[in-house]
Amino acid sequence: GAVVSQHPSWVICKSGTSVKIECRSLDFQATTMFWYRQFPKQSLMLMATSNEGSKATYEQGVEKDKFLINHASLTLSTLTVTSAHPEDSSFYICSALRSGYNEQFFGPGTRLTVL
Amino acid sequence: SQKIEQNSEALNIQEGKTATLTCNYTNYSPAYLQWYRQDPGRGPVFLLLIRENEKEKRKERLKVTFDTTLKQSLFHITASQPADSATYLCALAGGYGQNFVFGPGTRLSVLP
Repeated sequence: GAVVSQHPSWVICKSGTSVKIECRSLDFQATTMFWYRQFPKQSLMLMATSNEGSKATYEQGVEKDKFLINHASLTLSTLTVTSAHPEDSSFYICSALRSGYNEQFFGPGTRLTVL
Repeated sequence: SQKIEQNSEALNIQEGKTATLTCNYTNYSPAYLQWYRQDPGRGPVFLLLIRENEKEKRKERLKVTFDTTLKQSLFHITASQPADSATYLCALAGGYGQNFVFGPGTRLSVLP
């Protein structure tokens, strides 16, 4: 149980285009999901906290107009990287907080490459 | 500002030995601390959680200690195996539902 999926697992896009990444909790409900970014050989950096039915809370330095987060249901959160640039290339990982539990369940990650 | 440090970027040990990884933090009072394993190109996998009022937790070959006075957690893998080779991350949380702050990770290599 407690499986989180991400789609796509990797994506290559041209500079200036937008990319949507989906994060789904497959067998549990998650009122809270987190989005992280991880650069090579670095740790996870929290980008935003997504709560179902409300606006996401962004960490300092993360542009909310560039990284659009939608948490429309208890099992789905999406991250849209708008007008992507090469410096946005990274490994994006989501996690879901299972209701009543203190552990996060992570998705497998999405590798974004912006040309 | 909050800071989390993990003892070393990389740790090499011989198979069968006990691996000990360290997580130190400053300017933070976490309600609980977690350890995760991350393999290259994959998302982290939860291993253990220990609360601020707990001294030690065990799970099979894993043991975690939490000293809130020293602001330190130790993560032990006994009878280590090459399959234990991965990056291990510690993460702190102020409370349920609050965001987690991750350490930089320690890359463990268990040599056969």
